[in-house]
Parts: sequence; structure tokens; C-alpha cells
Amino acid sequence: KQEVTQIPAALSVPEGENLVLNCSFTDSAIYNLQWFRQDPGKGLTSLLLIQSSQREQTSGRLNASLDKSSGRSTLYIAASQPGDSATYLCAPGGGNQFYFGTGTSLTVIP
Amino acid sequence: EADIYQTPRYLVIGTGKKITLECSQTMGHDKMYWYQQDPGMELHLIHYSYGVNSTEKGDLSSESTVSRIRTEHFPLTLESARPSHTSQYLCASTPPGLAGGNEQFFGPGTRLTVL
Repeated sequence: KQEVTQIPAALSVPEGENLVLNCSFTDSAIYNLQWFRQDPGKGLTSLLLIQSSQREQTSGRLNASLDKSSGRSTLYIAASQPGDSATYLCAPGGGNQFYFGTGTSLTVIP
Repeated sequence: EADIYQTPRYLVIGTGKKITLECSQTMGHDKMYWYQQDPGMELHLIHYSYGVNSTEKGDLSSESTVSRIRTEHFPLTLESARPSHTSQYLCASTPPGLAGGNEQFFGPGTRLTVL
């Protein structure tokens, strides 16, 4: 079974700082990897989807990279804002389903 | 962007009641999923469906059941709710194509409390 680990579990940064969230997974036989944002008590919002053949994907201030062979992905957030405060989840997809980590809880301090 | 709807958003009920959580999507997605998430914990897949009349159990053992009679509708039923069922339930769907190969879209969730 796929095991997903996200480090750090929690992160607090001042506004404007660039930051990196890390995701590792044990089974490299994936079709893609998706990054989500989750606000407290809410559903998941899709941020980026990286196909297994891709190395990275960008959307605005977000950049996600994927190293499938080593089982790692990173989410880079540039110029962080208080509105970025949320929990960030990565989910490698393979076979019949996606697997989720427990996420990184990000707080951006104004 | 997919539109996925879940009702109710919040539900507080007593032990032993039968409940149905509704999930609908309007994008014609063939694959649909139900996840259970406790606070601060990861999402666990409890049921999924690849299309009409197709339902499978996920990794997490669950006392719930699902049905898929229409493409757009994937309800989850608990025949007799217990306090251990208190959790957030999230519905998701993906477009047609390779399983696990497409972007997953989520509904807003149903927060269930069983007293």
C-alpha cells in the first residue's frame, strides 16, 4: 500500500517569504500526483496536477516538482500571503485510487 | 472546473438512525469516490465507483453502503448510525480516462455528528 509522508507537519512564516513543502511516497508506480489545499472544515481545492511524465507544473505563485523515481514531490510557494494559510495535501495517484498524506499546516503571519 | 455538490453540509443525529449523504456532480465524470476524514488526519477511501452499477470498497473498512444508479449521483447510506461514525465525509470525482490518471475534484464535505 502507498504510504505518503509530508514534512513539515506545520509551518509558520512571515508574509512575503518563499517556502517549500515536501511530500514523499513509497510506491513510485504512480500515474500522477496532485497537490490540494484544504481550509478548516472544508473540502479540498485542487492546486496542481503533475503527470508521471512531467518534472514540474506551475500555476501563479505555485510550482510543484515531481521526482517519481525517488518518490518525492515539492510544492514551492513564492511570496507567501496570509490568504495562503491552510493545510496542503499531496496525493499520488495510481491503480484504482489516490493516497493522501496528513498534510502540512501552513500559517502565514501578516 | 467540476461542480460537485454534497448535502447536507452538517448533520447531527442520534444513535441508531438511518442516514443518507448525498453527492452529485454535473460534469459527467464516470469515477466517483467517498472519503472519510477525521480532524488532523489523512483522507481514507471508503467507497468508489467507476460508473453506473459499479461500486467497490476502499481501504478503510466501513459500515456504510453506496449505490450508483445514475452517473451524476453517488449517495452513501448508514443503516444505523453510531458515535464512531462521527467524522467528515468527502465526495470526489474524476473525468473519464485511466484510473488514478486524472485530476480529482472534491465537494465541500458533510460533517456528521452522531450523539
